[in-house]
Amino acid sequence: GESVGLHLPTLSVQEGDNSIINCAYSNSASDYFIWYKQESGKGPQFIIDIRSNMDKRQGQRVTVLLNKTVKHLSLQIAATQPGDSAVYFCAENAGGTSYGKLTFGQGTILTVHP
Amino acid sequence: DAGVTQSPTHLIKTRGQQVTLRCSPKSGHDTVSWYQQALGQGPQFIFQYYEEEERQRGNFPDRFSGHQFPNYSSELNVNALLLGDSALYLCASSLAGGIETQYFGPGTRLLVL
Repeated sequence: GESVGLHLPTLSVQEGDNSIINCAYSNSASDYFIWYKQESGKGPQFIIDIRSNMDKRQGQRVTVLLNKTVKHLSLQIAATQPGDSAVYFCAENAGGTSYGKLTFGQGTILTVHP
Repeated sequence: DAGVTQSPTHLIKTRGQQVTLRCSPKSGHDTVSWYQQALGQGPQFIFQYYEEEERQRGNFPDRFSGHQFPNYSSELNVNALLLGDSALYLCASSLAGGIETQYFGPGTRLLVL
């Protein structure tokens, strides 16, 4: 059968639109969350992070929202540009003895059309 | 300021062989984590090295082993290669045992034939 990896969620937007990428995490003990961007043939690039004592954090053109009640994370990209086209991963880091072990989501493919 | 570097960039091996991949962390970082990324999937944690010791390990067999040197660089060794070991191997560096943000290198693409 086909791998789950062949069915990555996709998001297609026009240049200048705002993009929202969603992620559901699994471990209620996770207390640190990171969004990474991965372009084809490259390693993941850090975008923004948030700790569990916050529900919102803003960066340059990006905002991360954390809803611990429903274990949901989102990445908002303002004024999306063609250079934003990539696969976006959320990652969670459980605390305690698991600190440092990142667990990644399946990823979302973002395509920005000029 | 150099980021995380990895070598080699690409590698082709045959089943049963052994491979060693290398990683130099970002300047000032003391912790190295290794991940395996199969095509179309997110990275999977293999293990983490801090103070020259393996501190965390994911669900990978003992064929996967590593080492960290006094200069914080690290090696990943895989013995008895299987076809399923074909993947992008990523190294990430961070500070203080991984409690800070992990920054990734470009990866080593391993193909096992």
